[in-house]
Amino acid sequence: DIQMTQSPSTLSASVGDRVTITCRASQSISSWLAWYQQKPGKAPKLLIYKASSLQSGVPSKFSGSGSGTEFTLTISSLQPDDFATYYCQQYNSYPLTFGGGTKVEIK
Amino acid sequence: QVQLVESGGGVVQSGKSLRLSCAASGFTFSSYTVHWVRQAPGKGLEWVAVISFDGNNKFYADSVKGRFTISRDNSKNTLSLQMDSLRPEDTAVYYCARAATLNQNYFDPWGHGTLVTVSS
Repeated sequence: DIQMTQSPSTLSASVGDRVTITCRASQSISSWLAWYQQKPGKAPKLLIYKASSLQSGVPSKFSGSGSGTEFTLTISSLQPDDFATYYCQQYNSYPLTFGGGTKVEIK
Repeated sequence: QVQLVESGGGVVQSGKSLRLSCAASGFTFSSYTVHWVRQAPGKGLEWVAVISFDGNNKFYADSVKGRFTISRDNSKNTLSLQMDSLRPEDTAVYYCARAATLNQNYFDPWGHGTLVTVSS
């Protein structure tokens, strides 16, 4: 199974900050990586697919990069609505696996 | 609009069974692979099972293999998850999620989820 490791697990940031979340795969997954945002009590929302492609309707302040085993999600100019938990997911092979999540908190 | 609505969650004793359903609308259900993903209280996301568009291919997480069965009825636009021999560690919100494209298994959209609580 491919293990997905996210860091940090918690990130404290201020409104207007630029933040970066890292996701590492235990083996190469090419660019078969997605990022999701989840708010308390809600279903996850797709932000990024194929490592760097922005899902339709998602603001361009979200961007993804990477390939192989190391990936990043960057949020430019953090706004109050962006405080949430973010997950990466590999879809290179079954079983599909998620990172443990990164909670972005208000500093 | 594209929508998935889960139902069937509830409180069940350890060792018992429960069947979840997911009603799809707003898209051609019979063309898409669909999945179940779960989230234990306060924990992260865990993929559970997948079924191909025609129902001929199914895969399961090791944690549920042999106990859970995924199925679909394309004539009724419905996905199901039969959960047998339930354990307390199966307690979670269960989401159904569609593969976002016809051949790539990332998820969009997701249902709102249904809570399953397994008591010991």
